[in-house]
Amino acid sequence: KNEVEQSPQNLTAQEGEFITINCSYSVGISALHWLQQHPGGGIVSLFMLSSGKKKHGRLIATINIQEKHSSLHITASHPRDSAVYICAVYSGGGADGLTFGKGTHLIIQP
Amino acid sequence: NAGVTQTPKFQVLKTGQSMTLQCAQDMNHEYMSWYRQDPGMGLRLIHYSVGAGITDQGEVPNGYNVSRSTTEDFPLRLLSAAPSQTSVYFCASRQMMGTLYEQYFGPGTRLTVT
Repeated sequence: KNEVEQSPQNLTAQEGEFITINCSYSVGISALHWLQQHPGGGIVSLFMLSSGKKKHGRLIATINIQEKHSSLHITASHPRDSAVYICAVYSGGGADGLTFGKGTHLIIQP
Repeated sequence: NAGVTQTPKFQVLKTGQSMTLQCAQDMNHEYMSWYRQDPGMGLRLIHYSVGAGITDQGEVPNGYNVSRSTTEDFPLRLLSAAPSQTSVYFCASRQMMGTLYEQYFGPGTRLTVT
């Protein structure tokens, strides 16, 4: 079973700061997802990637397959970015093929 | 498209009661799954289905049943609720495209068992 570690577990920052959330996994994968969950809310897929880098607005996701590591960056952070960010890896094994990290709880203060 | 819908949003049960959490999707996805989310833990798979008539167990299936009579619907049944089943439940669906896919989640059902 793939082990997925996210860091940090909790992050509080000021509005405007550049945010980085990290995800490391133990077994080779074919895809990695970054998910966002607002307090009391549902889960939304932000990115799905298997190599390189993707950008959507102020969000950037990168993955290094050789190092088994991915990062999610938020530029010019805003209080509405406050949420739990979850990394999930798809390695094709097991029932679902998916292993989820425990999430990073991000708070952006005005 | 409504995407993935779940009902109810909130539910309180007494120990021993049974209930069904409803899940439906209108994207014609073959694959559907149920997860539970507990504090300090990642999402854990309860049951999944790769198509109508086919279901299988995930990581934490005890105390839950599922069925998949249509592509659209995938209800989760709690047979005899226990306090350990207090959790937030998410239904999800996806359409495999090789090894890359987009997974869509429902809004969640927050269940409390007293």
